[in-house]
Amino acid sequence: GENVEQHPSTLSVQEGDSAVIKCTYSDSASNYFPWYKQELGKRPQLIIDIRSNVGEKKDQRIAVTLNKTAKHFSLHITETQPEDSAVYFCAASREDSSYKLIFGSGTRLLVRP
Amino acid sequence: DGGITQSPKYLFRKEGQNVTLSCEQNLNHDAMYWYRQDPGQGLRLIYYSQIVNDFQKGDIAEGYSVSREKKESFPLTVTSAQKNPTAFYLCASSTRQGVNGELFFGEGSRLTVL
Repeated sequence: GENVEQHPSTLSVQEGDSAVIKCTYSDSASNYFPWYKQELGKRPQLIIDIRSNVGEKKDQRIAVTLNKTAKHFSLHITETQPEDSAVYFCAASREDSSYKLIFGSGTRLLVRP
Repeated sequence: DGGITQSPKYLFRKEGQNVTLSCEQNLNHDAMYWYRQDPGQGLRLIYYSQIVNDFQKGDIAEGYSVSREKKESFPLTVTSAQKNPTAFYLCASSTRQGVNGELFFGEGSRLTVL
């Protein structure tokens, strides 16, 4: 089955700097890769996702890149702000198992003002 | 106000007791899920349901049971057979049956076994 590894487990950056979170997956048939953000005490929410037919996707200050050959994908946050502080989860799933998202272990991002 | 409602938010249970966590959604979503969240382990799938009266085991179903008698409701029972039930439980739903789609989460239920 699919296994998703996420690094780092914690990340501390200065406000205005960039943050990068990396995930690797094991199932080469996986083709959907979402990222969820969970602020302290709140529910996880989808912030961006990418499908395997594209290599990069951007939405304002966040971007996700996908390298299918190496089986890894990354979340990039530029110009970080204190409100970006949260736990971020990557996930992966296959088209024929769309209900079985496999999540990474999470990255706790702290943006220092 | 549309969304997913989980109750209770906090629950304490004695060892050997079963407990049921409620999950209700008014988003008209077909699929519903239960995840368990432990520190440093991300979200692990317990059960999911694609349609009413049908559900499948996830990766960590042992010691849990569910039912899906109504589209809006997907309660989770944590039985006494679950060896380590203390955790944070998240319910979710999605609309795109058969296609990868966004998960909408509830606010979670924190279960503590005393």
